[in-house]
Amino acid sequence: QKEVEQDPGPLSVPEGAIVSLNCTYSNSAFQYFMWYRQYSRKGPELLMYTYSSGNKEDGRFTAQVDKSSKYISLFIRDSQPSDSATYLCAMSAREGFQKLVFGTGTRLLVSP
Amino acid sequence: DAMVIQNPRYQVTQFGKPVTLSCSQTLNHNVMYWYQQKSSQAPKLLFHYYDKDFNNEADTPDNFQSRRPNTSFCFLDIRSPGLGDAAMYLCATSNRPFETQYFGPGTRLLVL
Repeated sequence: QKEVEQDPGPLSVPEGAIVSLNCTYSNSAFQYFMWYRQYSRKGPELLMYTYSSGNKEDGRFTAQVDKSSKYISLFIRDSQPSDSATYLCAMSAREGFQKLVFGTGTRLLVSP
Repeated sequence: DAMVIQNPRYQVTQFGKPVTLSCSQTLNHNVMYWYQQKSSQAPKLLFHYYDKDFNNEADTPDNFQSRRPNTSFCFLDIRSPGLGDAAMYLCATSNRPFETQYFGPGTRLLVL
């Protein structure tokens, strides 16, 4: 079993839809959770960074962490064609101690 | 703008011919990382430098080496590229080990 599981997609939605992207994990020691966006043939770009459980909002993006279920989500409101990319979740146990563990990414396609 | 720069963006090499990929950063971060990412897979950490201290991942092949001559630059050397080494190579930086990482655009390596 992988430490981090992520559905590869593709997830296809119409412009304006609310998108939900998810990861599950098995290591209960993970405390730091990140979402990266990666456009085709480009490097990952940090979108959201959260610590422990709870929600964090930044514009159209909301990151949610449920440590009791070992489940994290990224919600995108009013999705745009420019949101079409691969979204990678990443997590680590403690800053300075554990390396980032990435999911394989979910490919999102937003059609006009 | 502070950033992570990778050169070249695309590199074609021949089977067995040594190749060097370059990364530079203007963020003045202490840590630099090299990742390998194959199609539809998660980035795989190869090694990282914390200042001048080199940290190799246990499963990184000996074929991969790295140099960090100063804070701003880090190089990835592949001594004898095989067909299986064709991938996107990502450089990332962080202020301290495994704090939030910022990625460069990547170098796509093709081995003929």
